[in-house]
Amino acid sequence: GQNIDQPTEMTATEGAIVQINCTYQTSGFNGLFWYQQHAGEAPTFLSYNVLDGLEEKGRFSSFLSRSKGYSYLLLKELQMKDSASYLCAADNYGQNFVFGPGTRLSVLP
Amino acid sequence: DVKVTQSSRYLVKRTGEKVFLECVQDMDHENMFWYRQDPGLGLRLIYFSYDVKMKEKGDIPEGYSVSREKKERFSLILESASTNQTSMYLCASRRGGGSNEQFFGPGTRLTVL
Repeated sequence: GQNIDQPTEMTATEGAIVQINCTYQTSGFNGLFWYQQHAGEAPTFLSYNVLDGLEEKGRFSSFLSRSKGYSYLLLKELQMKDSASYLCAADNYGQNFVFGPGTRLSVLP
Repeated sequence: DVKVTQSSRYLVKRTGEKVFLECVQDMDHENMFWYRQDPGLGLRLIYFSYDVKMKEKGDIPEGYSVSREKKERFSLILESASTNQTSMYLCASRRGGGSNEQFFGPGTRLTVL
């Protein structure tokens, strides 16, 4: 079967660091995508990991462990505009994606 | 920039009506997808297409059909709308041949009364 799990909601303070975890079990796996979705808007691409390890892109970093079926998204120096839902998605052999339920992050002043 | 457009942002229909949701992408992408998004359930794949006139069922195809007559256009059809099809519908496209990101349209919020 296919299953992707991530926390439903998280809260953090402006300027802080937050880590959003994602665990996955899929029949096929090519890599792991992270998307950001603000309320009422389309998801937009944040990062993609195909190899184990950490990928850093400005304030955002993403980590993948293929052997553990685990990924996380790390957001540093949180800003109010980072309040959004964060979706992890497993890439099924370059065909379709399997999305997790999304984590709604609230950044408080 | 890739642009994915959807025919309507908001749509209200009555139970039993036939509903067409249109999606157009302008980057010559091979792959196109239709999802619905519901609170707590995330994005669920309805149908996808690898090429013109090709279609594949996703996880929840019941009650839906699709059409892809041209490469840039992928239509989702609700033959007889029901209240449990009230949802946000998102279209996406992706370049084929590798692990590329999906680009999403703005979504259509459909309400079936």
